[in-house]
Amino acid sequence: EAGVVQSPRYKIIEKKQPVAFWCNPISGHNTLYWYLQNLGQGPELLIRYENEEAVDDSQLPKDRFSAERLKGVDSTLKIQPAELGDSAVYLCASSFGGTVDTGELFFGEGSRLTVL
Amino acid sequence: LAKTTQPISMDSYEGQEVNITCSHNNIATNDYITWYQQFPSQGPRFIIQGYKTKVTNEVASLFIPADRKSSTLSLPRVSLSDTAVYYCLVVLYNQGGKLIFGQGTELSVKP
Repeated sequence: EAGVVQSPRYKIIEKKQPVAFWCNPISGHNTLYWYLQNLGQGPELLIRYENEEAVDDSQLPKDRFSAERLKGVDSTLKIQPAELGDSAVYLCASSFGGTVDTGELFFGEGSRLTVL
Repeated sequence: LAKTTQPISMDSYEGQEVNITCSHNNIATNDYITWYQQFPSQGPRFIIQGYKTKVTNEVASLFIPADRKSSTLSLPRVSLSDTAVYYCLVVLYNQGGKLIFGQGTELSVKP
């Protein structure tokens, strides 16, 4: 069974440019998460979807970040315009239902963004 | 908000048992404790979850005392491939199972 698929794996852009990351969760997983991970730090939640509804986006910087999950399956995270401080790894994760019962999220390998 | 505290780093040798302790003084009654492992250039991977006492699976054991203010992840007979960062998390039941990652413990296993 395929795991969580993310693309691109690496992206280098100049500041003020837009960038988008794509995530395809594990089949049947209705909950999808986007996390940001800075070097040497633990992942930080940006947004959580239950199907197509964003149920927790309190940590998403909405002035420049946006996300969508139109059909409740794959998702896109966009940054426009990118800033130097956005250089990080963007992780997507999915789970069947929430994590209340099992605490188990399945993470992709991440998309590493470098902003020059 | 339940915050976790764990050692920044630990060293061990192959074949040894490694115990990583985490404190979570503000854990709420319905919250769970879960541990993740992360290798470089990969996303975190779930190891184990528990509520109280002891939980064991094929990879690790998790010990949680009665007051639940701390927990200990036990890795039996570690190998070089267990070198990774280990995160202790509290699953926030009243926030839909929200996971808050801390800084993690960087475990280095030496030959």
